Amino acid sequence: EADIYQTPRYLVIGTGKKITLECSQTMGHDKMYWYQQDPGMELHLIHYSYGVNSTEKGDLSSESTVSRIRTEHFPLTLESARPSHTSQYLCASSAGQGATRETQYFGPGTRLLVL
Amino acid sequence: KQEVTQIPAALSVPEGENLVLNCSFTDSAIYNLQWFRQDPGKGLTSLLLIQSSQREQTSGRLNASLDKSSGRSTLYIAASQPGDSATYLCAVAGSNYQLIWGAGTKLIIKP
Repeated sequence: EADIYQTPRYLVIGTGKKITLECSQTMGHDKMYWYQQDPGMELHLIHYSYGVNSTEKGDLSSESTVSRIRTEHFPLTLESARPSHTSQYLCASSAGQGATRETQYFGPGTRLLVL
Repeated sequence: KQEVTQIPAALSVPEGENLVLNCSFTDSAIYNLQWFRQDPGKGLTSLLLIQSSQREQTSGRLNASLDKSSGRSTLYIAASQPGDSATYLCAVAGSNYQLIWGAGTKLIIKP
């Protein structure tokens, strides 16, 4: 059983507020990812990290930022939330098993509603 | 640019039936193809991973096949149960470890 945690699970917040979505994993995985998923749609990669002090933007343009100061922690921050940020945010991690065999382990997700 | 398509978008079948979910991708240069399950209010769970050199993988009542040349994969579920109700997602991996996802098939198994 993979141990990857996300908090909060649900968040309702007003426009313009700063928010941080937390993601932690206890498996010592070097790679971590943030995805955005709208209902009935595919997952889109918004940020990823292949190790401490390494972060990159994904394919989907996002106004959020991330940091990776510790292996186990990969928080995502929105400086000024807008209604267009309403979505589900999924955090995942993976271990170094090589490109052909590596799978990702997911947290339960954070559902964000910006009013 | 890799694109992944899953058909059908939704499927409802009576309990006990065998069923097939489909996934297609446009670029055959993949490192693996993965099937995940997503339950409401929960994250994704990995079901099967087929490496690019493999043709199929099996786990219990699940069997996934991969045909790279035609850009297709199928997930076969035998003797379906109500507990199999979920959204099934297909994803393909490139050399950069990143996954490209389909939109999923929402499966409902009727008791």
